[in-house]
Amino acid sequence: DVKVTQSSRYLVKRTGEKVFLECVQDMDHENMFWYRQDPGLGLRLIYFSYDVKMKEKGDIPEGYSVSREKKERFSLILESASTNQTSMYLCASSFDDSGNTIYFGEGSWLTVV
Amino acid sequence: DAKTTQPPSMDCAEGRAANLPCNHSTISGNEYVYWYRQIHSQGPQYIIHGLKNNETNEMASLIITEDRKSSTLILPHATLRDTAVYYCIVSGTYKYIFGTGTRLKVLA
Repeated sequence: DVKVTQSSRYLVKRTGEKVFLECVQDMDHENMFWYRQDPGLGLRLIYFSYDVKMKEKGDIPEGYSVSREKKERFSLILESASTNQTSMYLCASSFDDSGNTIYFGEGSWLTVV
Repeated sequence: DAKTTQPPSMDCAEGRAANLPCNHSTISGNEYVYWYRQIHSQGPQYIIHGLKNNETNEMASLIITEDRKSSTLILPHATLRDTAVYYCIVSGTYKYIFGTGTRLKVLA
């Protein structure tokens, strides 16, 4: 079975803190993604990576950065957390071919106070 | 990516088949139809996907109309654990656009 593991299930951080959300996948997938999910807004893509050290902005990249130093690991960084970044964050991965299926992790609930 | 339309909610009796419809009238030739579900507080779970032909796996069946403008996800024998939000997505790239889905409630 595909396994996408997010390091923290629940986090509480203070405004202005630097926050790291870590994600690891064990299926040798080329593509990795970070989404956030908010009530009424659905899932929105923050950043996408199609290879090591490669990244592309999604629909809502402002306030976030990412790092992909190894194929299996994709980190989301909130440089200076703000209360409007309180959300559920979902990591996902997929193979890089047509008809590919995206597999999601369990999600990380981040509260910024 | 094509937009999809799903009913906001449905009920189904336990043990009966749950048929969840999805309209995607603007789908283009290279776009697949994917179905995911999300149980409260968890990440979306992949169910099934297809391009033109009907598909079946251990979880569900996917019926795609001949013109590909709509599809139906069938859970053959719904259980209480199938209560979730079901998302129909049409995509030809890595970029999935999730709508608000159908909230399926399986009733005992």
